[in-house]
Amino acid sequence: EAQVTQNPRYLITVTGKKLTVTCSQNMNHEYMSWYRQDPGLGLRQIYYSMNVEVTDKGDVPEGYKVSRKEKRNFPLILESPSPNQTSLYFCASAYRGEKLFFGSGTQLSVL
Amino acid sequence: GENVEQHPSTLSVQEGDSAVIKCTYSDSASNYFPWYKQELGKRPQLIIDIRSNVGEKKDQRIAVTLNKTAKHFSLHITETQPEDSAVYFCAAGENTGGFKTIFGAGTRLFVKA
Repeated sequence: EAQVTQNPRYLITVTGKKLTVTCSQNMNHEYMSWYRQDPGLGLRQIYYSMNVEVTDKGDVPEGYKVSRKEKRNFPLILESPSPNQTSLYFCASAYRGEKLFFGSGTQLSVL
Repeated sequence: GENVEQHPSTLSVQEGDSAVIKCTYSDSASNYFPWYKQELGKRPQLIIDIRSNVGEKKDQRIAVTLNKTAKHFSLHITETQPEDSAVYFCAAGENTGGFKTIFGAGTRLFVKA
């Protein structure tokens, strides 16, 4: 079954404690991307990757890091989380950036 | 910066009526316009998309129109059903080397039975 798998689904942490949200896809997609969803703001792109070792900033990259060492994985790293990063995060993959296939989401709360 | 405005933010219709959601984009380089549906507590899912070289596309009860000159595109749902109730997002993408996608803020559609 084609899928994008994010872990964890829910995460509560404290300010400053480094965390990683994992994302893996089994569709051999070249393109992967991270979004955050906040009420009234829609989905905002954090980072995207066109292929292995190729990443680029989206609209709201501050406070986040990504890496793309393998085609299937695209982890999102928060080195020092702050309360304003409390949000619902979605990973997505696609062929060439079109027809995004989203993961189930990660609800992050930073206290 | 690039922006996509979406209206209305909330839309309530009677079952069987049509629903129209409109979006405006600012980046002239945008050439790909998808629409996603997000049911409560679920992930967004693509329902239809259109490229800049096409003015209209239809898939059963759903259609999308694009006016490149005015930088407008719209989603039309006919014969609405209660299961159409969800949040709908429009987006504008540009595929020139990279691929940034800008989403609208979303429209919450209620279909009353």
